[in-house]
Amino acid sequence: DQQVKQNSPSLSVQEGRISILNCDYTNSMFDYFLWYKKYPAEGPTFLISISSIKDKNEDGRFTVFLNKSAKHLSLHIVPSQPGDSAVYFCAANGQGSGYALNFGKGTSLLVTP
Amino acid sequence: DVKVTQSSRYLVKRTGEKVFLECVQDMDHENMFWYRQDPGLGLRLIYFSYDVKMKEKGDIPEGYSVSREKKERFSLILESASTNQTSMYLCASSYEGLAGRSSYNEQFFGPGTRLTVL
Repeated sequence: DQQVKQNSPSLSVQEGRISILNCDYTNSMFDYFLWYKKYPAEGPTFLISISSIKDKNEDGRFTVFLNKSAKHLSLHIVPSQPGDSAVYFCAANGQGSGYALNFGKGTSLLVTP
Repeated sequence: DVKVTQSSRYLVKRTGEKVFLECVQDMDHENMFWYRQDPGLGLRLIYFSYDVKMKEKGDIPEGYSVSREKKERFSLILESASTNQTSMYLCASSYEGLAGRSSYNEQFFGPGTRLTVL
């Protein structure tokens, strides 16, 4: 049963515009959320995280927003750059979920010049 | 910088062969994980280990086993490879962190092994 859902398999955005990647979760015990970025033939790399005590976390061009009541989070990339083209995975964990992260299926972002 | 290395980037094996995938991390992390990534399915956890000689099944352990004899090394074993095990295999590690909540600590991934079983 998929507890972390990324309903958009792909997204295309023009360079300089905002990219918004969405993620929904079903487990109300989740309290820590991460975004990973993955290029082809490479392992995922950590991008940004947020704990449930916050509703926003910012790191340079990347901002993650958390809406706990809606069990929804989003990653904003502003401005988008061609080098941001990659697959983005949302992941979550919480009390009782064990050691491992629960990953979504990923969203493939393409930033066009 | 944390470094997680995997023994091979690309591997081609035949059906029925025994396959070993090795993963080594150099940051003294307690936790290590094996995932497989398939198109449209995301990352699925096969096995993880929270200490030497300790292992736990993940979501899709069937057809796989693991070994952790040393803290820095975590091996994934395909006892008899099958074509449906053709996939990208990713190893990750994390440290235990505060109050046993390893989930507050990011997982660091290796570069992956693209395994093809013919």
